[in-house]
Amino acid sequence: AQTVTQSQPEMSVQEAETVTLSCTYDTSENNYYLFWYKQPPSRQMILVIRQEAYKQQNATENRFSVNFQKAAKSFSLKISDSQLGDTAMYFCAFMKRGGGGSNYKLTFGKGTLLTVNP
Amino acid sequence: DSGVTQTPKHLITATGQRVTLRCSPRSGDLSVYWYQQSLDQGLQFLIQYYNGEERAKGNILERFSAQQFPDLHSELNLSSLELGDSALYFCASSVIAGELFFGEGSRLTVL
Repeated sequence: AQTVTQSQPEMSVQEAETVTLSCTYDTSENNYYLFWYKQPPSRQMILVIRQEAYKQQNATENRFSVNFQKAAKSFSLKISDSQLGDTAMYFCAFMKRGGGGSNYKLTFGKGTLLTVNP
Repeated sequence: DSGVTQTPKHLITATGQRVTLRCSPRSGDLSVYWYQQSLDQGLQFLIQYYNGEERAKGNILERFSAQQFPDLHSELNLSSLELGDSALYFCASSVIAGELFFGEGSRLTVL
C-alpha cells in the first residue's frame, strides 16, 4: 500500500514571495503519478500540477513547479510570486499507473493549509 | 467547472437515517470514484465504478453502498447514519490515466 506524508500542517507566506510545500511518499511501485491538488474555501478540489514518475524533468505550470526526487521519494511544490488567491489547503497525492486497466485511485496526504498574507 | 456534477450540495439529517448522494461524471468518462473527506481521516477513497461495475473498494463501511447506472451516473447510499459520518463526500471521474476530475462535493451533516 502507498502512503503519502505532508509534514507541514500549516504554512504562511507574504504576497509575492515564494513558498515550498513538502511531500514524501512510500511505494514499491515504479510507475506512478504524483499530484498536487488545491482546495480553496469553496472546497472544490483543483488539480495544480502533475508529475509522471518516469519523467526526470520536473513539471511546471506557470507559477507552480515541483521538485521531484524519485530516489528520495520526495515531491515538493514551489509556489512563486504568491497571490492571495493561492490561500487554500494543498494536498499531495499518489496514483499507481496502469492499475488494472482503469483503476486510477488516488492516495492523499493529510494536507498543508497555506495562507498568503497581504 | 470540472464537468462533474454532485447533488445535493448540502444535506442535514439525523442519526439512524439514510441518504443518497448523486454524481454525474464528465461526458465520456466511464469511471466514477467516491471519496470521503473528514477532519480526522482526511481524504479517503471509498469505492470506484467503471462502466457500471464495481472496480475497486477502499475504506467503505458496510452501511454504505454505491452503484453506477447505465447512463453512468452514480449514487452513494449511506444508511444507519452516525454522527461520525458527517463529512464532505466527493465524486470524481476519469477517462485516461493521470486525470481525475472532482465534483464540488456533498456536505453531509448528521445531527
